[in-house]
Amino acid sequence: GEDVEQSLFLSVREGDSSVINCTYTDSSSTYLYWYKQEPGAGLQLLTYIFSNMDMKQDQRLTVLLNKKDKHLSLRIADTQTGDSAIYFCAESISTSGTYKYIFGTGTRLKVLA
Amino acid sequence: EAGVVQSPRYKIIEKKQPVAFWCNPISGHNTLYWYRQNLGQGPELLIRYENEEAVDDSQLPKDRFSAERLKGVDSTLKIQPAELGDSAVYLCASSQTGTSRVQFFGPGTRLTVL
Repeated sequence: GEDVEQSLFLSVREGDSSVINCTYTDSSSTYLYWYKQEPGAGLQLLTYIFSNMDMKQDQRLTVLLNKKDKHLSLRIADTQTGDSAIYFCAESISTSGTYKYIFGTGTRLKVLA
Repeated sequence: EAGVVQSPRYKIIEKKQPVAFWCNPISGHNTLYWYRQNLGQGPELLIRYENEEAVDDSQLPKDRFSAERLKGVDSTLKIQPAELGDSAVYLCASSQTGTSRVQFFGPGTRLTVL
């Protein structure tokens, strides 16, 4: 079956790096995404990676993909208080000529000043 | 460029009442999604439209939920009658045709059923 798992909470100090982890079960993922959700808001795309890549860097964000272990991580360098939010990992799975999106349950990141 | 627009932002109703949510996607996005997000969970797809065609409605509780996207642009999601368990945030998203399938989300409608 398809499942995306994330740890529920992460707390870091301002200026430190944050690493948010995600594991998925479906090996037919084509794209994997990281979204950020602030209170009362919708999901905001942060970055995404194609499944044949193993790393993508975008300013303070680094995505690492280990396809063998079905593990995805998001590293936020120099974490700021404005990074406090819920982070969702999602995968896009191709199936029977179409596709579907599966979201994880989200990791709540708390940044301490 | 305007993002995905949803209305209302909040809705409080009593159980057994009907309710409707509206979504206007980003201009030029032919794919539109409706999700339900329960507290502390990730979004779960209810229905996906490609233009005006519903291509995935397998998770839509069809006994009480309905959706339409008549002209392939804006969309309405309806619940009739609402139940206590329908309390959630209803998110609309849109994307362009393309391999990356990046979705852009609206702010959501928070529904409370009393």
